[in-house]
Amino acid sequence: GNSVTQMEGPVTLSEEAFLTINCTYTATGYPSLFWYVQYPGEGLQLLLKATKADDKGSNKGFEATYRKETTSFHLEKGSVQVSDSAVYFCALKGSNAGGTSYGKLTFGQGTILTVHP
Amino acid sequence: EAGVAQSPRYKIIEKRQSVAFWCNPISGHATLYWYQQILGQGPKLLIQFQNNGVVDDSQLPKDRFSAERLKGVDSTLKIQPAKLEDSAVYLCASSSTLAGGETQYFGPGTRLLVL
Repeated sequence: GNSVTQMEGPVTLSEEAFLTINCTYTATGYPSLFWYVQYPGEGLQLLLKATKADDKGSNKGFEATYRKETTSFHLEKGSVQVSDSAVYFCALKGSNAGGTSYGKLTFGQGTILTVHP
Repeated sequence: EAGVAQSPRYKIIEKRQSVAFWCNPISGHATLYWYQQILGQGPKLLIQFQNNGVVDDSQLPKDRFSAERLKGVDSTLKIQPAKLEDSAVYLCASSSTLAGGETQYFGPGTRLLVL
């Protein structure tokens, strides 16, 4: 079945540091890939997504590239801020060989990011 | 545009009691999902509706969990009887279609503590 593996956390960085959170996946067919973020006290929000190989998703300075050859979708940001402190979830939406989506999201375990001033 | 609404936000019950959660998706969204998020883990799908029909309930513990979406709009998830391991956040999400790149929008969740 489908699965998502995220780098183990938590991750602690100083403001303006470079961020990478690794995400690899196992899936059949042609999955779509997502990063969701959960800020303290808030619900899950979509951060970015990519729907096919080599697509790059970007938002709020975050980027992730859909790498089919390495089955990865690593999240990066060049300069983190204190306000980026949150839990980040990598997720995939599977599909069959014909490209029909199954709808549901399969999530990784989440990575806690803390950014200090 | 109003987001996904859920109630209650918090619930504390004793084991073997029953509890119900309510979700109202974004207007016009045909697909509704219930996820369970145990502390320290990512959300896991419990059940998925397309309009008022069930698409996927393979991960729903049917001996104690039930869900309905009678008119294809709002939905109720029930647990009866609750067990200690049901302590979790129950998230409702909706999307307009099942399409691969379609975004799922999440509600704030209901945090359940079973004592």
